[in-house]
Amino acid sequence: DAMVIQNPRYQVTQFGKPVTLSCSQTLNHNVMYWYQQKSSQAPKLLFHYYDKDFNNEADTPDNFQSRRPNTSFCFLDIRSPGLGDAAMYLCATSSKREGAEEQFFGPGTRLTVL
Amino acid sequence: GQNIDQPTEMTATEGAIVQINCTYQTSGFNGLFWYQQHAGEAPTFLSYNVLDGLEEKGRFSSFLSRSKGYSYLLLKELQMKDSASYLCAGVDSNYQLIWGAGTKLIIKP
Repeated sequence: DAMVIQNPRYQVTQFGKPVTLSCSQTLNHNVMYWYQQKSSQAPKLLFHYYDKDFNNEADTPDNFQSRRPNTSFCFLDIRSPGLGDAAMYLCATSSKREGAEEQFFGPGTRLTVL
Repeated sequence: GQNIDQPTEMTATEGAIVQINCTYQTSGFNGLFWYQQHAGEAPTFLSYNVLDGLEEKGRFSSFLSRSKGYSYLLLKELQMKDSASYLCAGVDSNYQLIWGAGTKLIIKP
């Protein structure tokens, strides 16, 4: 089945210790998104890629970086996690950027910062 | 600014009908999505409306009024598995999704 996969499902890191979250997709979608979602809050868009065209949201902290080495994979790097970065991180894809396309979400990675 | 408003929490009884409302303000409008999100899981697509009126899909229906900046999700014959958060998201002129914080729906037997 075509899907969006995120690894790991649960990630624990130390305050200030870099961490990388990964996402892969078998849908062959051009657009990939990274969202941060805290409890009972709306998903907050951090970045999106249209193919290799990277789009950084204006209020995404510099502490967050992203890489998309190919169509299938996308990574979220948190350089120095703080306690406030503890959240669910959701990866999503859509087939195109123009037009209101349904986004397909991975199961998320829940990040805990100790 | 852009904004999505929906109630924080609602409670309903198994077998009943519930309507979850959403009002939106977006710069431009290219439709509105409803997603379901169970606790600790990813959102899953329920519906998309871009024209005024009611779209029915099984037990779930979604309504849109563009002139009023208003949508609702109607859930019929509620089941315990419908306990989840329901997220409303408007699509702006840049095709970005503007998300609401979600309505937590609690179903009681």
